[in-house]
Amino acid sequence: GQQLNQSPQSMFIQEGEDVSMNCTSSSIFNTWLWYKQDPGEGPVLLIALYKAGELTSNGRLTAQFGITRKDSFLNISASIPSDVGIYFCAGNRDDKIIFGKGTRLHILP
Amino acid sequence: NAGVTQTPKFQVLKTGQSMTLQCAQDMNHEYMSWYRQDPGMGLRLIHYSVGAGITDQGEVPNGYNVSRSTTEDFPLRLLSAAPSQTSVYFCASSSESWNTEAFFGQGTRLTVV
Repeated sequence: GQQLNQSPQSMFIQEGEDVSMNCTSSSIFNTWLWYKQDPGEGPVLLIALYKAGELTSNGRLTAQFGITRKDSFLNISASIPSDVGIYFCAGNRDDKIIFGKGTRLHILP
Repeated sequence: NAGVTQTPKFQVLKTGQSMTLQCAQDMNHEYMSWYRQDPGMGLRLIHYSVGAGITDQGEVPNGYNVSRSTTEDFPLRLLSAAPSQTSVYFCASSSESWNTEAFFGQGTRLTVV
């Protein structure tokens, strides 16, 4: 079954608010990845994290690779309407990528 | 600039029928994989390949076969379709390892009745 626990499952926020979501696992991963999926499309990579403790930004997005290598978080600052979608964390181990169940982000008008 | 191409985009099958979902990439990537996406379940790995001639099982392999005779193609075969295989299927590829960016196709929406 799924080895990554992603939370929250869904979020309803106002435009302009900051967003935070995280992923935890009982297993160690070599790499943590964050993807976004728009409706009717495949996931697209947002940020990749390669070292424990690494903090990486991509525009309004910031993600961190936990020190224990068993968790990661993604923050989105000052959300905008195009941030709507499903965000997936993913971990790489043993030549496989395992995905979390996703966080569905809704932005209220 | 095709990237990862999946065909068909939509398919309806009757229970017991067999079919092949096609996946092709033109980026000379070694790593390819198949996922299924179900509501509330995220993406679950079916089968994957780290190079031509090499395949392995993922999280939910039962009822599916794969082969990798060329670097470019990684077809997914449903041997005897069941309603539980109704899902959206995604193919992905990556250059050297999954540490680098994985590129996904647009998906195949399969309904088994």
